[in-house]
Amino acid sequence: AQTVTQSQPEMSVQEAETVTLSCTYDTSENNYYLFWYKQPPSRQMILVIRQEAYKQQNATENRFSVNFQKAAKSFSLKISDSQLGDTAMYFCAFMKQAGANSKLTFGKGITLSVRP
Amino acid sequence: NAGVMQNPRHLVRRRGQEARLRCSPMKGHSHVYWYRQLPEEGLKFMVYLQKENIIDESGMPKERFSAEFPKEGPSILRIQQVVRGDSAAYFCASSPQTSNQPQHFGDGTRLSIL
Repeated sequence: AQTVTQSQPEMSVQEAETVTLSCTYDTSENNYYLFWYKQPPSRQMILVIRQEAYKQQNATENRFSVNFQKAAKSFSLKISDSQLGDTAMYFCAFMKQAGANSKLTFGKGITLSVRP
Repeated sequence: NAGVMQNPRHLVRRRGQEARLRCSPMKGHSHVYWYRQLPEEGLKFMVYLQKENIIDESGMPKERFSAEFPKEGPSILRIQQVVRGDSAAYFCASSPQTSNQPQHFGDGTRLSIL
């Protein structure tokens, strides 16, 4: 079974600064996908970024980038130039590749507050 | 192109009543997942369905919970004889195929048990 661990329950960052959210996972799979989802106070689940495990290059989406360390099973999210709208809970998630089931396994989440 | 539609957005039930949560996947999506989010927790997988088939229900409580995804119409998550501990946000997600497509989430149904 896969597990996803987000050990920091909450973080705070000044607007325009950079913040990194940590995530580690455990799996015996070799091919898989990793995701970061954002959940603002409206409680929607918004996909922020995804990474395929077979790709060595770290994924980037505008101000969001990841540091994927496959050997260490680490998948951190870096948010550059933080904005007030980034205030939300952030969930790291794991998905097996291939097969008949692509369910997501989520971490407990981290609450990020962006200070003006 | 409408996203994943869940209704109702909020549902209040008294203990012992039945709760029915509906999910219409995105157009072209044939795979539906249900997740439950307890307060201050991450989302936990409940069940994965394709049209007319339950593929994986390993996350479903053994009693009182059931799910279906009929040939026509939305997917339904049914909770019979609700208890206080069923209070949570229930999210539905859909994808067009397995494995390499990200799931798109609905806005969730917040279930409150009085």
